[in-house]
Amino acid sequence: DAKTTQPNSMESNEEEPVHLPCNHSTISGTDYIHWYRQLPSQGPEYVIHGLTSNVNNRMASLAIAEDRKSSTLILHRATLRDAAVYYCILRGPLRAGNMLTFGGGTRLMVKP
Amino acid sequence: KAGVTQTPRYLIKTRGQQVTLSCSPISGHRSVSWYQQTPGQGLQFLFEYFSETQRNKGNFPGRFSGRQFSNSRSEMNVSTLELGDSALYLCASSLGGLDTEAFFGQGTRLTVV
Repeated sequence: DAKTTQPNSMESNEEEPVHLPCNHSTISGTDYIHWYRQLPSQGPEYVIHGLTSNVNNRMASLAIAEDRKSSTLILHRATLRDAAVYYCILRGPLRAGNMLTFGGGTRLMVKP
Repeated sequence: KAGVTQTPRYLIKTRGQQVTLSCSPISGHRSVSWYQQTPGQGLQFLFEYFSETQRNKGNFPGRFSGRQFSNSRSEMNVSTLELGDSALYLCASSLGGLDTEAFFGQGTRLTVV
């Protein structure tokens, strides 16, 4: 499986934008980039995903580099509720099924 | 619509016993995956079922098994429990496909004493 690299932790101030980076230099042309987050004492929840183009949804934006070797999850205005561990995951060929391979993720701390 | 339901939420078992955990996926979802989360190893994939067939299996011993029923509900079983099996067990359901999202349950917290 292609691997991802994320910083262990990041800090942000409330109501400021947050840019969470992810490197995936061995990504293949068919790998989708997914982001999930896990709030304390909860199961992971889906945030956003993309293939080649930048994506926006109500939770966040996903900026994908032109060579697809890196991506950035953007939270436009961090709130205290956004404090969580964020996971960047590559989902490969369908033959691999629907499994998600979680790395260590980035622990985001939001200061009031 | 109802989310993914896992039962029980908490469980305490003794070493050597066996345990069965249950997962009810979102209606219409045919893919159910199981994960183990521990402080030391993080989130690790156990197995995935799709339309009652195991499609993928993680690197866990044979004591860990699962099954999926025709209504897509899934169970996982751990036999001969060890202290190291203490963990949060998470179930996720999805429609299937690389561009679909997985929905996770709240998990079952298993403590082996």
